[in-house]
Amino acid sequence: GAVVSQHPSRVICKSGTSVKIECRSLDFQATTMFWYRQFPKQSLMLMATSNEGSKATYEQGVEKDKFLINHASLTLSTLTVTSAHPEDSSFYICSASRLQTTSGSREQYFGPGTRLTVT
Amino acid sequence: QKEVEQNSGPLSVPEGAIASLNCTYSDRGSQSFFWYRQYSGKSPELIMSIYSNGDKEDGRFTAQLNKASQYVSLLIRDSQPSDSATYLCAVNPSGGYQKVTFGTGTKLQVIP
Repeated sequence: GAVVSQHPSRVICKSGTSVKIECRSLDFQATTMFWYRQFPKQSLMLMATSNEGSKATYEQGVEKDKFLINHASLTLSTLTVTSAHPEDSSFYICSASRLQTTSGSREQYFGPGTRLTVT
Repeated sequence: QKEVEQNSGPLSVPEGAIASLNCTYSDRGSQSFFWYRQYSGKSPELIMSIYSNGDKEDGRFTAQLNKASQYVSLLIRDSQPSDSATYLCAVNPSGGYQKVTFGTGTKLQVIP
């Protein structure tokens, strides 16, 4: 169990266009999902926390009007990169939080990531 | 002071040896601790979680937690070249609910 999918896995777009990335928890419900960005040879950077049915919480320095997040259901969150520019080229990874019943703790499971290239 | 600290490595071990990866954290109230493995160009994969002091074993992996010392480690026995990856330590801080804080990762190289 605990499978998270992401689509697309790879996308190339022109500067100024928008790109939507989908994140789905396939075998569990996730009230909370997270969006990360990772540049080559750098560590994960949390962009925002996505909560089902409410507004996302963005980390400091992340432009909420540029990175639109929608968590419409318990299994789907989307990230839209609006007016993309070459500096937005990166590896975008989502994760979904699942309750671990024996411990009562929540574990994060990551999607396979989306590699975005803006030309 | 970083919230979760790891030595960036690379840590090189010969095939068949024990690899020991270490992590310290600053929030004494932290309750949940995780180890992720990330292959180059791929997303992180959860390999171990630990919530109470002591050792937790799963196959070739053993996680060790010492809350008094604010220290968590991961041992990999009989290391294989396929274990070569970056290992991320993650901590759920007190009051942080579901958000975890990741270390920058330790790169492990298993030499055949």
